[in-house]
Formats: sequence, C-alpha cells, structure tokens
Amino acid sequence: AQSVTQLGSHVSVSEGALVLLRCNYSSSVPPYLFWYVQYPNQGLQLLLKYTSAATLVKGINGFEAEFKKSETSFHLTKPSAHMSDAAEYFCAVSVPGANSKLTFGKGITLSVRP
Amino acid sequence: ETGVTQSPTHLIKTRGQQVTLRCSSQSGHNTVSWYQQALGQGPQFIFQYYREEENGRGNFPPRFSGLQFPNYSSELNVNALELDDSALYLCASSGGPTDSGNTIYFGEGSWLTVV
Repeated sequence: AQSVTQLGSHVSVSEGALVLLRCNYSSSVPPYLFWYVQYPNQGLQLLLKYTSAATLVKGINGFEAEFKKSETSFHLTKPSAHMSDAAEYFCAVSVPGANSKLTFGKGITLSVRP
Repeated sequence: ETGVTQSPTHLIKTRGQQVTLRCSSQSGHNTVSWYQQALGQGPQFIFQYYREEENGRGNFPPRFSGLQFPNYSSELNVNALELDDSALYLCASSGGPTDSGNTIYFGEGSWLTVV
C-alpha cells in the first residue's frame, strides 16, 4: 500500500519569498508522484507529475519538484511566491499498473502575505 | 477547464436517504474514478470504473456503489446516508487505468451535506 505524509497543515510566506511544501511518500514499488492545487470551492488542478523520467519535474505556474528516492521525498518549490498562489496543495502517489488510482496526503494550506 | 463535468454542484439530503451524483468524463477518456474529500482532508479513493466495469475499490462500504455507461459517463450512488457522508465528491477521468502518460483530470465536485 502507498501513503503520503504532508507535515504541517499550514505554510505562510511573504510575497516574493521561496515556497517550500514538503511531501514524503511510502511505497513498496517505484511510485508515480503528483502535486495538485485546489483553489476555494474548486476541484483539483494538476501542477506536475513524476513518472520515473527526470527526477526534477517542472510544472505550471513556476512550480517544480524533485524526486529523491533516498529520502522518499517529493517536495514542491517555487522561487518567488505570488498572491495568486494562495491555495490548498495536495501531494499524491500512485503505482505503475494502477496509476490513475491516487492516494493523497492531507494537504497544506499556503498563505501569501503582501 | 478540464472537460470533466459533475452534477449537481450542491445538494442537501436527510440522513437515511439515497443520493445519485453524476459525472461526464473528458472526451476520449474511458476511465472514471470517484473520490470523497471531507472538510480539511485530502481526497480518498472510493472506486474506479474502466470500460463499464469496476476496476478497484477503496475502503468504503457497499452502500457506496457506481455505474459507468457506454459513453463513459458515470454515477456514484450512496444509500442510507449518514452524517459523515457530508463531503465534496470528486470525479476524475483519464485515458486509461495504467498508462503513465495519462493526465488525470478532476471535475469541480459535488458538495453533499447530510442533515
């Protein structure tokens, strides 16, 4: 079985500051990993995904994430936060052969201060 | 805009009633998954349908059931509603259950409140 841990439920940064949202996973087989964003009262939008190609994955809106097998991590970063980045962020894992069945973390709320 | 549409967007039901939620998948997608997202939590996988057959189920009781139609649209049915069923129900579609190249698209969700 797979699982995802997102430590902390809330991260607050200043506009222009680095965004770092942490995600650690557990999987008995090499995983696929995803980051989704959810704006208030909306569904989930895919930011980026790792499917065993390059370990540094670039996504939309300037976000990127690096797969580190030794640390079982897939942290999400953005060099400079924008007010529009304020949202809920979810890390998710799946496995080859069942990669459209996602196991999500509890999510992190990102606030951006002016 | 993902092309995945869900209805209704909001509904209120009484404990013990039954509810049906609907999802139209993105054009060309033959796989539909349903997720339950309780307030303040991440989405939890309920089940998946691939070419009209159930293709995996999460840890949900049998009163949660589903259907997929020949046009790949899908329904989620919940019987004997309980207060804890209050949640956002998300539908996700993809081009297949195993292709890593697929992107999984989510709809906007259906908000269910059980009173």
